[in-house]
Amino acid sequence: SSELTQDPAVSVALGQTVRITCQGDSLRTYYASWYQQKPGQAPVLVIYGENNRPSGIPGRFSGSTSGNTASLTITGAQADDEADYYCHCRDASGHHLVVFGGGTKLTVL
Amino acid sequence: QVQLVQSGSDLKKPGASVKVSCTASGYTFTDYAINWVRQAPGQGLEWMGWISTSTGNPTYARGFTGRFVFSLDTSVSTAYLQISSLKAEDTALYYCARHVLLGASLFFDSWGQGTPVTVSS
Repeated sequence: SSELTQDPAVSVALGQTVRITCQGDSLRTYYASWYQQKPGQAPVLVIYGENNRPSGIPGRFSGSTSGNTASLTITGAQADDEADYYCHCRDASGHHLVVFGGGTKLTVL
Repeated sequence: QVQLVQSGSDLKKPGASVKVSCTASGYTFTDYAINWVRQAPGQGLEWMGWISTSTGNPTYARGFTGRFVFSLDTSVSTAYLQISSLKAEDTALYYCARHVLLGASLFFDSWGQGTPVTVSS
C-alpha cells in the first residue's frame, strides 16, 4: 500500500514531550519528511532524511524511524508548536512519486 | 534566498479554466523539479504531481489526469498549473513546492504561499 497513516489529533501539555507517528509500507524503504502547517499558512519543512532540521527549525524537533513507523518528536512543546503536522515520503509502490499522511492536529494545552 | 511566489486568488464559474503560476527566485530554476499540492477546505495535503524543470516532462497523480496540465516557462523561471472544465470540487488552495532528492529522502524544502481557487456560479 502507498498510504501513510497518522493519528488525526494529539495533545500535549506545555513543556512536555510529544511524539507524532506515521505508519506506512513505504517507510521501510524511504525516510519520511515532516511539515508543520499553521492556519492560513503554507506548510514548512521541519524534518527531512534520517533526522535533519532545516536552518531555523528549533532543536526541540527531531525525527526517527523504526520499521514501518516514522515519528516526529517535539521535546518541550511550546505554544507556538500548535499546528497541523504532515508526514510525507517517496512512494515505494511506484504508483506515485510521493505520498502524504492525512495530518495530525497538535494541540498544546 | 529561495522563494516561490504564486499568483493571486481566483474565482471562476463551473466549466471555466484557471491557470496558476509559480515563479521561482534565488536558485537555478532548472536544477529542481516543481510539485503541485492541493488542499481542499478543511482537508489535508494531496499530491497532484510534478514537472521536471530540466526536461519539461510532467507526471500526474491518479485523480489528476485529463483536466490538469503542468507547464513551464523557463525563461521567466515559472511553472504553471492549468485546470480546465472546473467543478465545484476543484475549490481548494493550490501550492507549488520544490523538491530535493537526497539519497533515500525526497522532501519539499520550499513552498509557494498558495493560490486559493474558488469555483462557484
